[in-house]
Amino acid sequence: RKEVEQDPGPFNVPEGATVAFNCTYSNSASQSFFWYRQDCRKEPKLLMSVYSSGNEDGRFTAQLNRASQYISLLIRDSKLSDSATYLCVVTDLYNFNKFYFGSGTKLNVKP
Amino acid sequence: DGGITQSPKYLFRKEGQNVTLSCEQNLNHDAMYWYRQDPGQGLRLIYYSQIVNDFQKGDIAEGYSVSREKKESFPLTVTSAQKNPTAFYLCASRWGQGPYEQYFGPGTRLTVT
Repeated sequence: RKEVEQDPGPFNVPEGATVAFNCTYSNSASQSFFWYRQDCRKEPKLLMSVYSSGNEDGRFTAQLNRASQYISLLIRDSKLSDSATYLCVVTDLYNFNKFYFGSGTKLNVKP
Repeated sequence: DGGITQSPKYLFRKEGQNVTLSCEQNLNHDAMYWYRQDPGQGLRLIYYSQIVNDFQKGDIAEGYSVSREKKESFPLTVTSAQKNPTAFYLCASRWGQGPYEQYFGPGTRLTVT
């Protein structure tokens, strides 16, 4: 079983739409959670960390559900520039050097 | 301008040759990492280093070697023992000892024929 699982998509949405991605993780002892964005043939870039209470950064909202072992990312008012692959990342409780990456969810925002 | 640099961006090699990928950071980060990314897959950890002169194997270390002689530098050698070396290689770094986020370099795309 993979440590982190994501729906690969693609999610095809019109500009202005609200879209949500979920990610499940297998290790209940996981410590830290992140969403990264990766453009085609580029490096991943940190989008936001995910805190237990949930957090928001502009049009982006991340939530963590420890009981069900999933994290979510909500994007409101989608822009063309949001088109990318979104990676869910989870760290190991006992080794902060172990980052587990999901395979990513691809988002296409259409005009 | 602080950041992580990787060179070269594209690298082509013949099978049987060793090749070294460069990674330098000027963020004063303690830990550095090497990942490999194949199409449609998540990043897989090759090696990491928490401090100078110390490094640990990741999940797919076979056929790779690293060194960490300076805090700023963490080169990766892809040896001829690596069965499927063609991939996108990403270097990352992270500050401190805790569960802090990683930052990535632009990557090196290696093609071996």
